[in-house]
Amino acid sequence: AQSVTQPDIHITVSEGASLELRCNYSYGATPYLFWYVQSPGQGLQLLLKYFSGDTLVQGIKGFEAEFKRSQSSFNLRKPSVHWSDAAEYFCAVGVLAGNNRKLIWGLGTSLAVNP
Amino acid sequence: NAGVTQTPKFQVLKTGQSMTLQCAQDMNHEYMSWYRQDPGMGLRLIHYSVGAGITDQGEVPNGYNVSRSTTEDFPLRLLSAAPSQTSVYFCASRRARGPLMNTEAFFGQGTRLTVV
Repeated sequence: AQSVTQPDIHITVSEGASLELRCNYSYGATPYLFWYVQSPGQGLQLLLKYFSGDTLVQGIKGFEAEFKRSQSSFNLRKPSVHWSDAAEYFCAVGVLAGNNRKLIWGLGTSLAVNP
Repeated sequence: NAGVTQTPKFQVLKTGQSMTLQCAQDMNHEYMSWYRQDPGMGLRLIHYSVGAGITDQGEVPNGYNVSRSTTEDFPLRLLSAAPSQTSVYFCASRRARGPLMNTEAFFGQGTRLTVV
């Protein structure tokens, strides 16, 4: 079955520390991969996406993610976290469904940032 | 460019009441969808549409109706609200045709619904 797993429900890091949020997926073909961020009381905003090509993708707000096919992973990283990065982060996978793709969502990782 | 606009932002309903959540997008996107977000359950797809006049059920469609008479609008109707429908609802849209298809979903700001 197609699925997306974000193993960490909640992560706390100190401001200035590095960050890695994990995302694993189960899908038989090459997926479209996305990371979204949701600030409190807001909608979801796209951070970055991977469709093909270079497996290291750069996104907004200093985030990057690396697609590792052998590990079925698409982990999100940031070298130095800012207090404004505190939010909910969602990994999503676009899988083929007929002539279109449907999005399968992880349950999210809540990030807290200590000053 | 307004993107995806949802109204209202907040709503309190009594059990059994009906209401319509509005969603409009101005990006000429073919694909529109409604999600509900509940603590610990992530985003769950309620209904979606791949174009005007075409709708289909997602994973949690019961208790909700949709229609798509225009490309821009995709309202979600609750015919008889129940406490289990207390949630935050998000509308999203994206391209479903052409070179930009499936590249990114754009979300509205959400509607926080409480059913008492």
